Amino acid sequence: DGGITQSPKYLFRKEGQNVTLSCEQNLNHDAMYWYRQDPGQGLRLIYYSQIVNDFQKGDIAEGYSVSREKKESFPLTVTSAQKNPTAFYLCASSIGFAGGRSTGELFFGEGSRLTVL
Amino acid sequence: KQEVTQIPAALSVPEGENLVLNCSFTDSAIYNLQWFRQDPGKGLTSLLLIQSSQREQTSGRLNASLDKSSGRSTLYIAASQPGDSATYLCAGDDGGATNKLIFGTGTLLAVQP
Repeated sequence: DGGITQSPKYLFRKEGQNVTLSCEQNLNHDAMYWYRQDPGQGLRLIYYSQIVNDFQKGDIAEGYSVSREKKESFPLTVTSAQKNPTAFYLCASSIGFAGGRSTGELFFGEGSRLTVL
Repeated sequence: KQEVTQIPAALSVPEGENLVLNCSFTDSAIYNLQWFRQDPGKGLTSLLLIQSSQREQTSGRLNASLDKSSGRSTLYIAASQPGDSATYLCAGDDGGATNKLIFGTGTLLAVQP
């Protein structure tokens, strides 16, 4: 089945540690995104990538880093510089862009819950 | 800057009732509007996408409409069922050149059997 796979589902981190969240898609989508969800708040965009080897900062990129070496993979690293990393992280993808506009629906993975001990 | 608001924040209805969820946005230059469903501890499931030239979309018991002039979208759920219980989120893009969807905080729906 086509879809987006996030791992791990649950992750615990000690303060000062970097952790990497995995996101893999087999939908052949060009665009991929990372969102953060906190209780009582809407989803907020961390980073997005329109094409392999290219990515842009979203609204809350500080303390996070990404890479896009393969079309199907978009891992997110939560660094020790992120002051409040405990949250639910969601990866998404869409078919791509045409004329500067998204051309399709946004599809999400099942999420990864990160807790800082 | 696009802002998206959803009212009510929570809603409880008896099974079988028809219901409407509301979503309002501030930038009428919205390009795409998408409705999602989220079950507790899970990711978002896409329900309906209304693209620029469209005014509404239907899927089964769900119908979503978009009125750019008033800055509103509604999600209509017919003959509600307990399995419809979830949080419903709407998201609109910011009218810019990327798919930077701006999300509302959602409506928590409980359908009582």
